Amino acid sequence: GAGVSQTPSNKVTEKGKYVELRCDPISGHTALYWYRQSLGQGPEFLIYFQGTGAADDSGLPNDRFFAVRPEGSVSTLKIQRTERGDSAVYLCASSSFGGAAYNEQFFGPGTRLTVL
Amino acid sequence: QQQVKQSPQSLIVQKGGISIINCAYENTAFDYFPWYQQFPGKGPALLIAIRPDVSEKKEGRFTISFNKSAKQFSLHIMDSQPGDSATYFCAASGSNDYKLSFGAGTTVTVRA
Repeated sequence: GAGVSQTPSNKVTEKGKYVELRCDPISGHTALYWYRQSLGQGPEFLIYFQGTGAADDSGLPNDRFFAVRPEGSVSTLKIQRTERGDSAVYLCASSSFGGAAYNEQFFGPGTRLTVL
Repeated sequence: QQQVKQSPQSLIVQKGGISIINCAYENTAFDYFPWYQQFPGKGPALLIAIRPDVSEKKEGRFTISFNKSAKQFSLHIMDSQPGDSATYFCAASGSNDYKLSFGAGTTVTVRA
């Protein structure tokens, strides 16, 4: 049974460019989360999907960030006009059910984004 | 602002020793307190979790102590082993809330 996978594992881009980060959750998990982990910090919540819909996107820092999950499985985090401050590890997690954190969230290895 | 404060930032312990990591929170709505373990290049993995209806939970060498009145909780790693060397994050969440608020993390190094 595969865990949560994320691609690419590393992404280096230039300031102003557009990037897409992909997350493949555990099969059958209906809930999917994106977190951002800056150097030396704990993960910070970005967005939560229940099925195909974004149930809560309150953690997205601004409108340059957008995420989709069109078929209720794979999700893509999209960042437009990247800035150096966007450099971080972007973590994806999934859980079998949403609604409560005690439904264990299983994390992927993350995508390390570096904006030059 | 950070809703969960974690200390120390790092610690070094001898093999067989006890590692202690402390966390404090302000939000009284929090009622689920998990600890995550993260190895370099990997995502965090749930280690152990506690609800406020108990003051202590033990799983193997890992124990969570919880003090509801002080709004503090801690992780004790007994008989620390080199394989325990990792970064540990405490976290908290409210009832029926899916968001986890993480502490800043503690890097534990166990010397053989």
